[in-house]
Amino acid sequence: GAGVSQSPRYKVAKRGQDVALRCDPISGHVSLFWYQQALGQGPEFLTYFQNEAQLDKSGLPSDRFFAERPEGSVSTLKIQRTQKEDSAVYLCASSLRTGVYNSPLHFGNGTRLTVT
Amino acid sequence: AQKITQTQPGMFVQEKEAVTLDCTYDTSDQSYGLFWYKQPSSGEMIFLIYQGSYDEQNATEGRYSLNFQKARKSANLVISASQLGDSAMYFCAMREGRNTGNQFYFGTGTSLTVIP
Repeated sequence: GAGVSQSPRYKVAKRGQDVALRCDPISGHVSLFWYQQALGQGPEFLTYFQNEAQLDKSGLPSDRFFAERPEGSVSTLKIQRTQKEDSAVYLCASSLRTGVYNSPLHFGNGTRLTVT
Repeated sequence: AQKITQTQPGMFVQEKEAVTLDCTYDTSDQSYGLFWYKQPSSGEMIFLIYQGSYDEQNATEGRYSLNFQKARKSANLVISASQLGDSAMYFCAMREGRNTGNQFYFGTGTSLTVIP
């Protein structure tokens, strides 16, 4: 596929359950980002990878959030002991080049997480 | 201070008319990029147009153009000949040259509705 692929598209979890969200970036893209988007808001930065290295996780809201990209391609965002406030759309984006300001982000369709 | 400000929560435009979506930004960097994204109700974030801080001419991509006024720190999106399919949320974003790993900021978005 040519684009960023995210799965599942929708996820309903009961409060307290763990969830794992998958992102398959565009082949060859070095940078990978996770964003959280609440209803009616713009995307908020969560974390950033350059290849397999997680260079910035300052946006992760709590230690219940964990992300990895072990082989520098597919990434997983894991949320432990989900809470209702975790309900949001989780967007993954990749970028071809790193360290330059003119490289756009290419987004996946997102995973809509609903915690009941 | 907000890095990206979009002051129009909602806009309406008649089909076939032009519309301008406002965006102002705040940065002390000399090198930065400005981006516009479209987000239809399906949720995907679609990259529309890019303007670099050193670009002397306004960027254009088909019916999209970016009215870049550097001194005013504004980067308004102009959509010409609006179509019903243009109805969506539109986000302005900026990527700074300094520490470009994760510095990709989004505004709160403008909801555009095209009226037939």
